[in-house]
Amino acid sequence: QVQVVESGGGVVQPGRSLRLSCAASGFTFYTFDMDWVRQAPGKGLEWVAFMSSDGNSKYYADSVKGRFTISRDYYKNTVYLQLNSLTFEDSALYYCVKNREGGSLESWGQGTLVTVSS
Amino acid sequence: SIVLTQPPSVSVAPGETARITCGGNSIGTINVHWNRQKAGQAPGLVIYNNHDRPSGIPERFFAYNSGNTATLTISRVEAGDEADYFCQVWDSISDHRVFGGGTKLTVL
Repeated sequence: QVQVVESGGGVVQPGRSLRLSCAASGFTFYTFDMDWVRQAPGKGLEWVAFMSSDGNSKYYADSVKGRFTISRDYYKNTVYLQLNSLTFEDSALYYCVKNREGGSLESWGQGTLVTVSS
Repeated sequence: SIVLTQPPSVSVAPGETARITCGGNSIGTINVHWNRQKAGQAPGLVIYNNHDRPSGIPERFFAYNSGNTATLTISRVEAGDEADYFCQVWDSISDHRVFGGGTKLTVL
């Protein structure tokens, strides 16, 4: 069955970097778009980044553009999110999500927690 | 850019019908999707492309989208339907995905 499993979260100081990983299985990885979505404690969902199935299109939320980078490794069936210049406002549970054709967010992982703390 | 507005909370008694709205300028012209997040769990898709249900989602979940409002209706509400519901669209002008603020459905 479809699975996406995030990892790489942790506690990091402001201004530092972190790389999140999302291991995908159970579907043809190179044919589906992927997103990262985050959720601060007690808050709603905030879209972070999108990458098309072929890797040619990448889009970012204004709040992270220039600091975060999405990428994917087609050999490892893995999506990455590089987080640079982290701020307190970046503290959240980060979800990796497989898209369904048509743009809906079909399969969500359990998330990996990023805490920015001094 | 698109802004999606949802009521913060909706409360219904078991067996009644819940209606959760998602407002946005001319969203009737684009696809609206709905995700559900039960307490302590990751979100999951309940409606895609305005009114389609993924496998495993019962027919009690029905949605439509017209004009400036998309609506998710849940008929014969059960205690297990209690969750936060988020509408979502893709804004093709800004190439951004947009979420509504979420609606907490409480089953009385």
